[in-house]
Amino acid sequence: KNQVEQSPQSLIILEGKNCTLQCNYTVSPFSNLRWYKQDTGRGPVSLTIMTFSENTKSNGRYTATLDADTKQSSLHITASQLSDSASYICVVSLYNTDKLIFGTGTRLQVFP
Amino acid sequence: EPEVTQTPSHQVTQMGQEVILRCVPISNHLYFYWYRQILGQKVEFLVSFYNNEISEKSEIFDDQFSVERPDGSNFTLKIRSTKLEDSAMYFCASSGTTSDTGELFFGEGSRLTVL
Repeated sequence: KNQVEQSPQSLIILEGKNCTLQCNYTVSPFSNLRWYKQDTGRGPVSLTIMTFSENTKSNGRYTATLDADTKQSSLHITASQLSDSASYICVVSLYNTDKLIFGTGTRLQVFP
Repeated sequence: EPEVTQTPSHQVTQMGQEVILRCVPISNHLYFYWYRQILGQKVEFLVSFYNNEISEKSEIFDDQFSVERPDGSNFTLKIRSTKLEDSAMYFCASSGTTSDTGELFFGEGSRLTVL
């Protein structure tokens, strides 16, 4: 069964600190892996998209890694800001289909 | 910056009523999608639409659901006879290429509450 699991479920950090979110997937056939940021009650916003041949991709203070062999990905947030408080969702795209498989997300709260 | 817009932002309806959710995708995009998110759960794929027809649909997208692009700009999701379990946030998305390779841009969502 195609699944995307994320950990931790929730995370609280202080402003300025770094954090890393984890994603494990069992999706086949794999096309690419995406990280989205979703503010409460809003639509998901894309942060990164990685194909199986890409090991790392950055978007400002966000850096995603992908290990296609172990089927694991991480999202590292550097120097967190209050505005980083949101859910971060790992999403895997199946090859040659329109269907995206969403994880349950990690809810990040950044406190001053 | 171009964006996907959805209306209404929130709709409350009685069970058994018909509901139409509307979306205006990004103007040069060709691929359109509906996803839903039940409160506290994962976002789930409903349907994809390209070249004026459904490309793919999930098992959730049964005969109670339909989509159309009536005027070349709006993209609508109709639920014919709503059930309590249809209560969810419905997200429209669009992309310039197929979703297995291209970036999807999501709207802000339409929250549907079925009483």
